[in-house]
Amino acid sequence: SQKIEQNSEALNIQEGKTATLTCNYTNYSPAYLQWYRQDPGRGPVFLLLIRENEKEKRKERLKVTFDTTLKQSLFHITASQPADSATYLCATGGYQKVTFGTGTKLQVIP
Amino acid sequence: DSGVTQTPKHLITATGQRVTLRCSPRSGDLSVYWYQQSLDQGLQFLIQYYNGEERAKGNILERFSAQQFPDLHSELNLSSLELGDSALYFCASSGDRTNEKLFFGSGTQLSVL
Repeated sequence: SQKIEQNSEALNIQEGKTATLTCNYTNYSPAYLQWYRQDPGRGPVFLLLIRENEKEKRKERLKVTFDTTLKQSLFHITASQPADSATYLCATGGYQKVTFGTGTKLQVIP
Repeated sequence: DSGVTQTPKHLITATGQRVTLRCSPRSGDLSVYWYQQSLDQGLQFLIQYYNGEERAKGNILERFSAQQFPDLHSELNLSSLELGDSALYFCASSGDRTNEKLFFGSGTQLSVL
């Protein structure tokens, strides 16, 4: 079955810098990948979706890429702010079940 | 506010007991998903319903069952509870069967003592 791998180590970056989070998938290429933000004790919140035939998607300070050759998606937050500190989850999509990665915890240091 | 309502927010019970978690999806959403999240496991997919029918099943234990009712709300039943069942249980909904853009509730924190 599909497996989603995210760097389990926390990512600490300085305010104003660009944060880059990685999501790798195994097996087949999913129809799309989704990124969610989760704050402690809260439900995940949908951020962005990128389809298999799209290379890049942007929304305000967020950018997502999808490389089917590398089986990888990168999630970028530009001009990061302390309020961006959270855990970011990558998930597959399509007609199969939605599988989430374990997430990467981002800490933006003022 | 995601529009997905889960009740109760907290549940404390003893081993061997049975509990029911309830979820009301966003208005108009036909798909309901249940996930379990514990500290060392991440979000584990349990089961999905679409318009009253079971659509996909994950690693849901036989002690657990779920259903989606005609009004589209869903219930997750957990029985013969064990200490290891303690976790945060999330319900999510989406508008169609493509599984795009899930909207999550605030979760039910289950503590089995």
